[in-house]
Amino acid sequence: DAGVIQSPRHEVTEMGQEVTLRCKPISGHNSLFWYRQTMMRGLELLIYFNNNVPIDDSGMPEDRFSAKMPNASFSTLKIQPSEPRDSAVYFCASSLATTTGESEQYFGPGTRLTVT
Amino acid sequence: AQSVTQLDSHVSVSEGTPVLLRCNYSSSYSPSLFWYVQHPNKGLQLLLKYTSAATLVKGINGFEAEFKKSETSFHLTKPSAHMSDAAEYFCVVSFPGANNLFFGTGTRLTVIP
Repeated sequence: DAGVIQSPRHEVTEMGQEVTLRCKPISGHNSLFWYRQTMMRGLELLIYFNNNVPIDDSGMPEDRFSAKMPNASFSTLKIQPSEPRDSAVYFCASSLATTTGESEQYFGPGTRLTVT
Repeated sequence: AQSVTQLDSHVSVSEGTPVLLRCNYSSSYSPSLFWYVQHPNKGLQLLLKYTSAATLVKGINGFEAEFKKSETSFHLTKPSAHMSDAAEYFCVVSFPGANNLFFGTGTRLTVIP
């Protein structure tokens, strides 16, 4: 298995531009998570999907951020317009959710976003 | 309220000496507990997990952790540190019926040659 795939691995953009991050979860997994990691705030959960449906988006910073999961094998996180404070590493993770909540998450390599 | 606390933000050990990374949790339910490791500029990798089976859990790279309900702890240990163990370690908890994970703030492990 190729694991969770994220693209691009690095993104440098100017303030005000639209940024789209992509994620392909592990085949067969039914839950997908987007995280943001910074030195100041650590690892933050932005949003997660179960069976392609957004379950909890309370971690999404503001309306500039949006996430979609059109099918079980693809998700995007979009920032429009981007700002320098959005600079961070964005991780996607997937899991096979169970009713007992025991399922571990598998993380992608992350996308390092720099907004100048 | 459910939470997880990593007691040390930074731990430094000499190569070949034991490693102890501390984690305490707070939960009204029987939690599942995990340790993840993140090497520099890499994603998070699962080290081990506890899911109400054996209280002593063995993971990859010689790490293990013991679930102690009376102490609400899940400390990570390794008998002998290796240079390649230098990384950030996250204690993580999840709860029955919840698919999301709650992460500790992380402990940075430095291994001195």
